[in-house]
Amino acid sequence: GAGVSQSPSNKVTEKGKDVELRCDPISGHTALYWYRQSLGQGLEFLIYFQGNSAPDKSGLPSDRFSAERTGGSVSTLTIQRTQQEDSAVYLCASSLTGTVSNQPQHFGDGTRLSIL
Amino acid sequence: GDSVTQMEGPVTLSEEAFLTINCTYTATGYPSLFWYVQYPGEGLQLLLKATKADDKGSNKGFEATYRKETTSFHLEKGSVQVSDSAVYFCALSDVAGANSKLTFGKGITLSVRP
Repeated sequence: GAGVSQSPSNKVTEKGKDVELRCDPISGHTALYWYRQSLGQGLEFLIYFQGNSAPDKSGLPSDRFSAERTGGSVSTLTIQRTQQEDSAVYLCASSLTGTVSNQPQHFGDGTRLSIL
Repeated sequence: GDSVTQMEGPVTLSEEAFLTINCTYTATGYPSLFWYVQYPGEGLQLLLKATKADDKGSNKGFEATYRKETTSFHLEKGSVQVSDSAVYFCALSDVAGANSKLTFGKGITLSVRP
């Protein structure tokens, strides 16, 4: 497909479990972003990748959150010891480059995470 | 830090009514400005953008003009349709922060009645 692909589309898990969310960006896009969309907080930036490195992790809410990107392509966002406040839609976006502000970001459909 | 403020919602309009959604911003550098739209059951899509002062972005009958003097980027449409019902997000990207991450407003839900 031509767009950003995220999996799973929905994830329900028990409090305390670890979860992994996956993002396949548009081919050739060097910049990849994770955002979180929750009712109380709106859309918040989590982490930015340029290639495989993450020069900006400033939005990660706690050390339970981590992310990696391999081969300049697929990225996984891992949440350890999930808490109920982690329930949200996690969105991934990619763009041609992260160093030019007018490059539009293309979003995936998101993963809806529900913590019981 | 950077921030985006959108008018409070939700907004309900009748078909063919005029739409204005207000958006103002605060940024340290010279940001690019965007409107994103999320239709029911769909992902976030770019609606339009403007990259410098006095630029006008337009798409699908929607327009927004980058006003540096008032730090605003209000979204307008002359005649809304039922199919415009969606959540609209104003956003900015300011590479002065070393990357082009988006800072979003809280979004506003638009419902258009037939």
